[in-house]
Amino acid sequence: GQSLEQPSEVTAVEGAIVQINCTYQTSGFYGLSWYQQHDGGAPTFLSYNALDGLEETGRFSSFLSRSDSYGYLLLQELQMKDSASYFCAVRGDSGAGSYQLTFGKGTKLSVIP
Amino acid sequence: DAGVTQSPTHLIKTRGQQVTLRCSPKSGHDTVSWYQQALGQGPQFIFQYYEEEERQRGNFPDRFSGHQFPNYSSELNVNALLLGDSALYLCASSFIDRDRDGYTFGSGTRLTVV
Repeated sequence: GQSLEQPSEVTAVEGAIVQINCTYQTSGFYGLSWYQQHDGGAPTFLSYNALDGLEETGRFSSFLSRSDSYGYLLLQELQMKDSASYFCAVRGDSGAGSYQLTFGKGTKLSVIP
Repeated sequence: DAGVTQSPTHLIKTRGQQVTLRCSPKSGHDTVSWYQQALGQGPQFIFQYYEEEERQRGNFPDRFSGHQFPNYSSELNVNALLLGDSALYLCASSFIDRDRDGYTFGSGTRLTVV
């Protein structure tokens, strides 16, 4: 099967930088994605890494190391609106197929003034 | 451009009843995945539909079934509802195997079983 580990909660100060880590176990790795979900809202896609290295999208960056089965999401210049839950998700071979996108349990980020 | 539309937004059912949830994917998307999200947890994969066929199924009992129509819209059916089926049900659409573009999620259907 597939499994992902990420911290349950993180608190950071407005304007600061925060890193949310994710380690995963899967067979036949295809890629690691990140999603943001505000309370009561739908998950929204943030980024995708299939190859090692850093992908940057505005204030958000995502990193992947396939050899370490590890990735992180980096949020810079934190804003109050960044307070949300962040999920890493992996597509791999679950044994029943390779189309399933499996989500971690999520990291609740609280941005404080 | 309309995103993913799910209906209804909220639903209350009695244990043992059956429920049908509906999803219209984002324009241009051809693949629909259904997820169950319990409070404070990540979405759990139920199944994925492409070309009107169930492409892959997660670890959910046969009480959960689905369908995809020629216009790519989809339904999720749950029979013999249990109290534990109470959750947010999310529909996500995508373009086949285009992982880099990610999934577009609907706002979900909040199902409460009493």
